[in-house]
Amino acid sequence: DVKVTQSSRYLVKRTGEKVFLECVQDMDHENMFWYRQDPGLGLRLIYFSYDVKMKEKGDIPEGYSVSREKKERFSLILESASTNQTSMYLCASSFPGTSDITDTQYFGPGTRLTVL
Amino acid sequence: DQQVKQNSPSLSVQEGRISILNCDYTNSMFDYFLWYKKYPAEGPTFLISISSIKDKNEDGRFTVFLNKSAKHLSLHIVPSQPGDSAVYFCAASASDYKLSFGAGTTVTVRA
Repeated sequence: DVKVTQSSRYLVKRTGEKVFLECVQDMDHENMFWYRQDPGLGLRLIYFSYDVKMKEKGDIPEGYSVSREKKERFSLILESASTNQTSMYLCASSFPGTSDITDTQYFGPGTRLTVL
Repeated sequence: DQQVKQNSPSLSVQEGRISILNCDYTNSMFDYFLWYKKYPAEGPTFLISISSIKDKNEDGRFTVFLNKSAKHLSLHIVPSQPGDSAVYFCAASASDYKLSFGAGTTVTVRA
């Protein structure tokens, strides 16, 4: 079974702090993703990475950066946390290749971040 | 601008009856569609998918129907069980690794 783990389930930070969210997958997936989930908005893509040291902006990258130094690990960084970044953050990974299965993403349990 | 829309935020259904969840999309480049199920405080789990070359896919109690001309898909759960109470997300891909998600539909199965 694919396992995607996230470093924290719950996190409380103060406005202006730098925040690191870590994600690790154990299935040698090429692709990794960071989403945030907000009520009424579903899951919105922040950043994704299709290879080590490669990254691409998603739909809402402002205020975030990412790092992928190793294939299994994908970090999301909030450079200066703000209250509107209070959300559920979800990491996902998927297989490489060209078949339909590449589009199936496997998610971690999520990190509920509260910025005060 | 959301390219995948789930217009019903919630659905309540009696145990044993059918649950029908609907999803509409606007991007004609989408060619693969997925449904995910999410319990509170957990990540979404993959439920069922369908390729644009098909119009139906079944997996046990779950069936997904795709109407490409209407840009519409639906998920049928028969029979509904209490464990099906969750948030269901529709997602779509244009074969570029990324998924676009709908806002979700919260299903409550009443005993």
